[in-house]
Amino acid sequence: DQQVKQNSPSLSVQEGRISILNCDYTNSMFDYFLWYKKYPAEGPTFLISISSIKDKNEDGRFTVFLNKSAKHLSLHIVPSQPGDSAVYFCAASVQGGADGLTFGKGTHLIIQP
Amino acid sequence: DSGVTQTPKHLITATGQRVTLRCSPRSGDLSVYWYQQSLDQGLQFLIQYYNGEERAKGNILERFSAQQFPDLHSELNLSSLELGDSALYFCASSVGQGGYEGTEAFFGQGTRLTVV
Repeated sequence: DQQVKQNSPSLSVQEGRISILNCDYTNSMFDYFLWYKKYPAEGPTFLISISSIKDKNEDGRFTVFLNKSAKHLSLHIVPSQPGDSAVYFCAASVQGGADGLTFGKGTHLIIQP
Repeated sequence: DSGVTQTPKHLITATGQRVTLRCSPRSGDLSVYWYQQSLDQGLQFLIQYYNGEERAKGNILERFSAQQFPDLHSELNLSSLELGDSALYFCASSVGQGGYEGTEAFFGQGTRLTVV
């Protein structure tokens, strides 16, 4: 049973527009959420995170929104740039828990020129 | 560069064999995690060590084992290898026990294991 789901395997967005990547989770105990970005032949790189006490966190062009009642989070990238083309993984954890980070399968974001 | 070093980068071996993957965490990080990424799969958590002790266990097969040494480097041992074990194996490290805000995990570049 997949506890963190990224239902879009890929997403194509025009350069300069907004990219919205979605993530759903089923485990109501999750209270910390992260987004990682991965280029081919490299390890995942931490991008941004959000604790369950917040509903929004911003870092430059990246904003993560958390809707706890819907068990849904999203990553907004605006404006999208060619270098944003990568696979984005959503991850979740229970702070202080013993199960590490649970990752989704990833969404491949393609920024079109 | 995340500061996490994994060796080797690539490994090709035959079924039934045993291999050891090595990970050096970022300086100062006490936690080491191992993840497996198979084709079309997300990152599957295998195991976590914190300051030399096993802290959390995920979907790790009994044929696999890991340890963290006093200098905090870690090794993942995979034995009786099967074709299905072919995957990318990532090591990550964090300063604390992980999962807490501000203690994000930093990943190495991975070891690509091919079992033939």
